[in-house]
Amino acid sequence: DGGITQSPKYLFRKEGQNVTLSCEQNLNHDAMYWYRQDPGQGLRLIYYSQIVNDFQKGDIAEGYSVSREKKESFPLTVTSAQKNPTAFYLCASTGGANTGELFFGEGSRLTVL
Amino acid sequence: AQSVSQHNHHVILSEAASLELGCNYSYGGTVNLFWYVQYPGQHLQLLLKYFSGDPLVKGIKGFEAEFIKSKFSFNLRKPSVQWSDTAEYFCAVLSGGYNKLIFGAGTRLAVHP
Repeated sequence: DGGITQSPKYLFRKEGQNVTLSCEQNLNHDAMYWYRQDPGQGLRLIYYSQIVNDFQKGDIAEGYSVSREKKESFPLTVTSAQKNPTAFYLCASTGGANTGELFFGEGSRLTVL
Repeated sequence: AQSVSQHNHHVILSEAASLELGCNYSYGGTVNLFWYVQYPGQHLQLLLKYFSGDPLVKGIKGFEAEFIKSKFSFNLRKPSVQWSDTAEYFCAVLSGGYNKLIFGAGTRLAVHP
């Protein structure tokens, strides 16, 4: 089945540690996105990538980094510089030209202890 | 910058009641608007969208939304809700190119049998 796979679903980390969240898609989509979801704040865009080896900062990129070495993969690293990393992280992709139709993964919940 | 406001953060209804969730956007020009839904334990998915044409758009599962340009609104409606409509609903607007979506804070709907 085609879709987006995020791993791990749940992750705990200590303060000061970096952590990488995986996002893989087999939809052959060019564009991929990372959103952060917090209660009462909706989804906020962290980074997005329109094509392999290219990515742009979203609205809340500070403390995060990404790479796009392969079309199907868009990992997100939450660095120790992110002041409030505990959140639900959603990865999405789309193949449409500015249609606004994103396909989302099931998310990864990160808790910093 | 564009923004989206959802005024109802939590809504509780009984089955068969009618539903209307409010959504207002800030941009006064041409807008593309969306409603996404996140059922418990499932990934976020597109419910319906408005790009142009008929301001009353119909989506999946009996939902519809009306674009009222003079009120900057895109409210979601359903005549008779079911228990299975329990979910979180997000309104979104397309912000420029690259399928960048700006989401509202979300509305949690609980439908009681």
